[in-house]
Amino acid sequence: AQSVTQLDSQVPVFEEAPVELRCNYSSSVSVYLFWYVQYPNQGLQLLLKYLSGSTLVKGINGFEAEFNKSQTSFHLRKPSVHISDTAEYFCAVSADYGGSQGNLIFGKGTKLSVKP
Amino acid sequence: NAGVTQTPKFRILKIGQSMTLQCTQDMNHNYMYWYRQDPGMGLKLIYYSVGAGITDKGEVPNGYNVSRSTTEDFPLRLELAAPSQTSVYFCASSYSNRLARTYEQYFGPGTRLTVT
Repeated sequence: AQSVTQLDSQVPVFEEAPVELRCNYSSSVSVYLFWYVQYPNQGLQLLLKYLSGSTLVKGINGFEAEFNKSQTSFHLRKPSVHISDTAEYFCAVSADYGGSQGNLIFGKGTKLSVKP
Repeated sequence: NAGVTQTPKFRILKIGQSMTLQCTQDMNHNYMYWYRQDPGMGLKLIYYSVGAGITDKGEVPNGYNVSRSTTEDFPLRLELAAPSQTSVYFCASSYSNRLARTYEQYFGPGTRLTVT
């Protein structure tokens, strides 16, 4: 079985500062990794995904994440945040069954609050 | 192209009442999912479907039923509403294709349900 731990439930940061949202996972098989963003009163939207290949993946809105297999981590970063990045961010993992995907397991979320 | 649509947006139920949450997607996706989101708990999978006529339980299926008679629709049924079912419900869909390596889930806007 897979599990996901998001290490911070809330992250306050000032506008134009860098931010890192941390995510660790556990799995006995290879995994696919995802970051989703949820703006207030909306559904979830995919930010980026790691399926295979380069461990540094770039997503929408200037976000990027690095897959670290030895650390079982998939931390999300942005070098300079904007007020509009205020949202809740979810890390998710699914098992790689030889190219087929298992169900998504979500972390509990990290609320990013960007202050002026 | 509306994506994933859910109705209703809000609903208040009395204990013991029944209702159906509607979900429709127009992307010809083969996979569809129902999640519930509780504060600070992330998303939990209730049921999923890999195609018309095929459904399976997720992590938290008790108290819910689903059916999938068409590719587009995946309704979620609550038979005897209980306060523990107060939550925000999200429907999602994806096109699972080993060759295309898509795996992204597209989410609807959610239904906020209160059971009192």
